[in-house]
Amino acid sequence: DVKVTQSSRYLVKRTGEKVFLECVQDMDHENMFWYRQDPGLGLRLIYFSYDVKMKEKGDIPEGYSVSREKKERFSLILESASTNQTSMYLCASSFRGARKNIQYFGAGTRLSVL
Amino acid sequence: AQSVTQPDIHITVSEGASLELRCNYSYGATPYLFWYVQSPGQGLQLLLKYFSGDTLVQGIKGFEAEFKRSQSSFNLRKPSVHWSDAAEYFCAVAPIHGSSNTGKLIFGQGTTLQVKP
Repeated sequence: DVKVTQSSRYLVKRTGEKVFLECVQDMDHENMFWYRQDPGLGLRLIYFSYDVKMKEKGDIPEGYSVSREKKERFSLILESASTNQTSMYLCASSFRGARKNIQYFGAGTRLSVL
Repeated sequence: AQSVTQPDIHITVSEGASLELRCNYSYGATPYLFWYVQSPGQGLQLLLKYFSGDTLVQGIKGFEAEFKRSQSSFNLRKPSVHWSDAAEYFCAVAPIHGSSNTGKLIFGQGTTLQVKP
């Protein structure tokens, strides 16, 4: 079974803190994704990466950055957390090639910024 | 721009009743289409996918979906709902431009299914 692991299920941070959300996958997937999930808005893509050290902005990259130093790990960074970044964050991964659109998801990190 | 619309935010059905969740997409060509399910406190799990071929696709947990090009729809169905089907369901599309496929997905807003005993 594919496993996508997000390091924390719940996080509480203060406004202005630097926040790291970690995601690790064990299937040697080339693609990795970070989404934000808010009620009524579905999933919105923040950033994705198609290879080590490669990244592309998604639909809502403002206030976020990412890091992919190793193939299996993709980190989402909130440089200075704000209350409007309180949300559920989902990480996903997929193969490149014919199966590239089948994404496998982690359980999510619910972040509260106070 | 491509988009996915799930017109029903919340649906309640009785256990044993049939279910249909609607999904419409806005896209010029035939995209790849997906349905995912998210149980409470969990990530998303793939229910089924459509890439090409037979427009009626079977998925896990007894779900099926039908691609209708004329209606730009990909509705999810189940003949008899179980209480464990209560979850949030997401339709997604992978926009394909010629031979270009980034691997990204565009998700609908989600439909929350409640099952009455």
